This record gives sequence, C-alpha cells and structure tokens, in this order.
Amino acid sequence: EAQVTQNPRYLITVTGKKLTVTCSQNMNHEYMSWYRQDPGLGLRQIYYSMNVEVTDKGDVPEGYKVSRKEKRNFPLILESPSPNQTSLYFCASSWAGEAFFGQGTRLTVV
Amino acid sequence: SQKIEQNSEALNIQEGKTATLTCNYTNYSPAYLQWYRQDPGRGPVFLLLIRENEKEKRKERLKVTFDTTLKQSLFHITASQPADSATYLCALDSVRGSTLGRLYFGRGTQLTVWP
Repeated sequence: EAQVTQNPRYLITVTGKKLTVTCSQNMNHEYMSWYRQDPGLGLRQIYYSMNVEVTDKGDVPEGYKVSRKEKRNFPLILESPSPNQTSLYFCASSWAGEAFFGQGTRLTVV
Repeated sequence: SQKIEQNSEALNIQEGKTATLTCNYTNYSPAYLQWYRQDPGRGPVFLLLIRENEKEKRKERLKVTFDTTLKQSLFHITASQPADSATYLCALDSVRGSTLGRLYFGRGTQLTVWP
C-alpha cells in the first residue's frame, strides 16, 4: 500500500529538549516536504526536498532542520523546541503535483 | 506575495443539495490547482487536480472548474451526503510548468452536510 508514515503520532516534550519526527514514504517519490498546521493559519510549508541531499526552506523554517540522506526518509529535527512550535505537523511526498500526506504528528512543547 | 482565499470558513447544506466551494487567488499564475479533503486530526487527501488549460474536470460526484481570467476555482459536490462533511483545501503550485513544485494551501472551508 502506498503510504507516508510519520512517527510519533503524539509527542509532549519540554522546552529545549531536542527531538526528531521521522517520515518515510514507499512510493519512490523524489519530492518531500514538511508542513505545520495551526488554527486559522492553515497549512504552511516548513522545508522541502527535491531529491536526496537537496533541501530548501519553505515559508516557516526558523527553529527546524531537515536532512535527506535517503530517498524514502525525510526527518524533521527540532534542535531546541519552544512552545510556539506546538502544532500539528504533516509530512508529504509528491509526484506530478499530487501530494500524499502522512497521518500527522501532534506536538506539544511545554 | 501570492494570496489564496477560500470563500468562507464554514458552509452548511442539506443532504442531497449541491455544495459549491470557492477558491480565489491573487498575484499568481499557477500551472495547476488542486483540491484536498481533510478530516479532523488527519492528513489531507488528494481529490482532484486541474491544469491551467483545462476548464473543467469531473470525478464521480465531484466537479472542479478553473477560470484563469477570474483567478478562481469552483469545487462542486453534487448529491451531497453527511459523509462529505469535512474541510476542503484548495492548493496551487508555485512553479509554472514544474511537476514537482511547492504547493500553497488556502485555509480551507469546513463543509457540514446535515440530513
């Protein structure tokens, strides 16, 4: 089954404690991206990657890092999380414009 | 910068009626436009893609139109059902002619279909 898998689904952490949200896709897509979704603001792109070792900033990259060492994986790293990064996060992979989204990761930073 | 507006935050209609959702954009010339459905707490699910040279596209009870002169897309759900209740997102690409380009999303319209 074609899918994008994110882990964990839920995460509560404390300010400043580094965390990684994993994302994996099994469709051999070159393009992957991370979004955050906040009430009233909609989906906003954090980072995207057009291929292995090729990443670029989206609209809200501050406080986030990504890496793309393999085609299937695109982890999102928060080196020092802050409460304003509390949000619902989605990973997506794309082909021919159509985006396939993961189940989402609800992150709470206290 | 580009701006994407979806007609309203919420739309309530009776079962069996046609739901019409609007997506308007400014400062932009997208090569294609997409519609997604999102249920609470879940990731968006792709529904339809329409290219700039296409006026209309259909899929079962769904129909999308794309007017590049008006800078507007209309999304119709005919014979609506309570199961169609969800938030519908409009998305536009950022790179003309690219099959990969970044997507920009509207904030969505929450549709409720009541029996």
